[in-house]
Amino acid sequence: EAGVTQFPSHSVIEKGQTVTLRCDPISGHDNLYWYRRVMGKEIKFLLHFVKESKQDESGMPNNRFLAERTGGTYSTLKVQPAELEDSGVYFCASSQVGSGVAKNIQYFGAGTRLSVL
Amino acid sequence: AQSVTQLGSHVSVSEGALVLLRCNYSSSVPPYLFWYVQYPNQGLQLLLKYTSAATLVKGINGFEAEFKKSETSFHLTKPSAHMSDAAEYFCAVSDRVGGTSYGKLTFGQGTILTVHP
Repeated sequence: EAGVTQFPSHSVIEKGQTVTLRCDPISGHDNLYWYRRVMGKEIKFLLHFVKESKQDESGMPNNRFLAERTGGTYSTLKVQPAELEDSGVYFCASSQVGSGVAKNIQYFGAGTRLSVL
Repeated sequence: AQSVTQLGSHVSVSEGALVLLRCNYSSSVPPYLFWYVQYPNQGLQLLLKYTSAATLVKGINGFEAEFKKSETSFHLTKPSAHMSDAAEYFCAVSDRVGGTSYGKLTFGQGTILTVHP
């Protein structure tokens, strides 16, 4: 079974440009999460989808960030325009929906390392 | 709001020595606690989880953690370190959302474990 896949693994862009990150969750996982780790800091929650609906987007930094999950499958996270402070590693995770913590374990992708110059 | 503190951003041990990685949490309700590990160029992998079934939790690769409510701690241990244990370790807490679905993870700052021959 394929795990959580993220594209690209690395992205280097200039300030003001647009970047789109993609996450393919594990098949059948309706929960999808985005997290970010800025260098030297802890991993922080950005938002949570249940299928195609945003369940919690309390961690989104500002309106330059747009997350979508059309059809409830893969998700994209677009940063437009990118700023220097957006640099970091963006992680995606997915989990099943159901009762019990065992079913709700979050499985993580390898992350996308974004560098804004 | 929940928070997680990992004492020591870097821990160095000799091969065969005890590994102890510290984690303290704050939560207004009984939390669900996790330890994840990240090997170089890989995603976060679940080591173990606390689900309130037992205070001593055994995970993969010989790791275990003990939940101590009175100390609000969930320290990770391994009796004998192996070179392959070198990685970054993250303690995380989540709460329950909507009765059955678990929400965002709140992470500690991470601890880099170095194992010397």
